[in-house]
This record gives sequence, structure tokens and C-alpha cells, in this order.
Amino acid sequence: GQQLNQSPQSMFIQEGEDVSMNCTSSSIFNTWLWYKQDPGEGPVLLIALYKAGELTSNGRLTAQFGITRKDSFLNISASIPSDVGIYFCAGPLYGQNFVFGPGTRLSVLP
Amino acid sequence: NAGVTQTPKFQVLKTGQSMTLQCAQDMNHNSMYWYRQDPGMGLRLIYYSASEGTTDKGEVPNGYNVSRLNKREFSLRLESAAPSQTSVYFCASSRSGQVNYGYTFGSGTRLTVV
Repeated sequence: GQQLNQSPQSMFIQEGEDVSMNCTSSSIFNTWLWYKQDPGEGPVLLIALYKAGELTSNGRLTAQFGITRKDSFLNISASIPSDVGIYFCAGPLYGQNFVFGPGTRLSVLP
Repeated sequence: NAGVTQTPKFQVLKTGQSMTLQCAQDMNHNSMYWYRQDPGMGLRLIYYSASEGTTDKGEVPNGYNVSRLNKREFSLRLESAAPSQTSVYFCASSRSGQVNYGYTFGSGTRLTVV
């Protein structure tokens, strides 16, 4: 079935550092979604991308829809402790359902 | 705003027991979903309901049943729990036709089957 891969699986960074993560698909997508999950909570939508090459920001977060339409990237600038969590990418599977990547777990060290 | 509410938050079952996970949304969304989350595997779709009165299987439906009770409520039932069903379960909803704007998730039910 459809699979998404996320890299890296986990990362430990110092507060203030920038973060980069990516998501790749075996198929072409027309939408990419990025979610963040805080510990003990459900995922919350951060950014949605709808067009190849699109670059969209949400505060310190910036996401890009890859030109090949098989990948997407999420960057976080000047990380802070509340950035800790799991970041998921998601793309349309069929109809109105989405497939989620396995997530990138981010830890921020003070 | 309550959004998506799931109950219970935690549950421990013995193998073979049954239980129903409840989910309700107050956003007038047409579509509702049940996902399970396991370490390193992301979120996998169990069942979904595109609209009131319809339900369909997702990626991992075996061992589960669902009921779309009305527009607000979508329940997930485990008839005979197995240790492999130990997981965190998330309910989500979306407005039909605007699914590309994403889902709204509940805060999850952490289920342990012993």
C-alpha cells in the first residue's frame, strides 16, 4: 500500500538551533499536510501545501511542497522547548482519506 | 470549543473482553475517522464514515467494528480484545469537501490489553 517515509526518525537539538526534516512518498501527491503531536495529545495541523514548489510559513515553521510532488520538507527556525513533539507528514490516500508518515520525534535540549 | 471528544482516556482490558470507544464532535463535520497509533508506525486508519449512515474499512479494520450513531458520534468497538490491539486510538473529523484542510483530532484513548 501507500507508504510515506520520514527522515530523520528522531533528533536531539539545542534550543535556538534550526531544524530540518523531510517526508517522501512512492507516489505523486497533490496535497501535503504537516501535523505536530504534543505528548499525550492528538495531532494538530500546522501547515497545508497544495501546489508543487509551494513554500508556506506558519510563524517559525516553513514547509515546502517538493517539485517532484513526491516529497515535502519542514523547517523550524530558532527552536524553543515547546517545539518538542512528534511531527507527521500526511498525504491523500484515496477519496478523502490520508496516509500518515511514521513521524519525526524532536527533542529540544535547554 | 470542545472540538473532538474521546472517552475514556485510558483503559486496561483483559484478553477476550469487549469495549466501546466513544467519540463525539461538535463542529458539524460530516466525516469521521478512527486511527490507531503504534510506535514507529504513524497513524493507521481503522474505519471511517464519510457521512452519517455510511461506514467503510480503512487500512487495519480486522478485530474492530464501528457505528455512526448520528452526525456527531462515531464509536469504535472491540468485540474480543487481543494484546495486538494495545495502542493509542484517535478519533478525527473533517468537513466533507474540505478534507485537504486536514482533520481535527481528539486527544486519544490509550488502551492496554493484557
